[in-house]
Amino acid sequence: AQKVTQAQTEISVVEKEDVTLDCVYETRDTTYYLFWYKQPPSGELVFLIRRNSFDEQNEISGRYSWNFQKSTSSFNFTITASQVVDSAVYFCALVLGSDSWGKFQFGAGTQVVVTP
Amino acid sequence: SAVISQKPSRDICQRGTSLTIQCQVDSQVTMMFWYRQQPGQSLTLIATANQGSEATYESGFVIDKFPISRPNLTFSTLTVSNMSPEDSSIYLCSVLVLGDEQYFGPGTRLTVT
Repeated sequence: AQKVTQAQTEISVVEKEDVTLDCVYETRDTTYYLFWYKQPPSGELVFLIRRNSFDEQNEISGRYSWNFQKSTSSFNFTITASQVVDSAVYFCALVLGSDSWGKFQFGAGTQVVVTP
Repeated sequence: SAVISQKPSRDICQRGTSLTIQCQVDSQVTMMFWYRQQPGQSLTLIATANQGSEATYESGFVIDKFPISRPNLTFSTLTVSNMSPEDSSIYLCSVLVLGDEQYFGPGTRLTVT
């Protein structure tokens, strides 16, 4: 069965510090997709990134970067120079590219608190 | 892309009553799903809403408690029946569109007293 583990429950940083969120996944499927979502206090889910299992290229988008390593089944997320607006819960999620397409397996989430 | 609206956005209900949540999408979608997020918890898939047939429920969720309808390609409802305080959650509709893009609705915050 598939599983997503976000071991960090909460991370507190001071503004401008970097913060890295860990995500470890388990699946026997060779085709799958990994996601990161942001959930601010308002509750809506904000899509950040999607990666498929065949693309291990790291990605950078502004202050956000992602490190995908199949060898360790990890898909870590780094916020550089954090800002107060980054305070939110961040979820890592896995979707299988088979009959389960569209069904997310979410991690427990990591609460990020950025203080001025 | 797809824009999803949910009604109501929030509600406070008494135990033993039922609430129906609506999910409307502005374009035809291939698949629709319902998720639950209990306070301080992650999101859990309740069921896949199938057009014209019974929904497919995940382990731990049953039709009697969470009946779902999907009369067409752009609309679905989730009913939370015979509510108890443990049903207090955010309920989110999610859709899969052509091109395999997935979107989440804004959620319905339910409090059961």
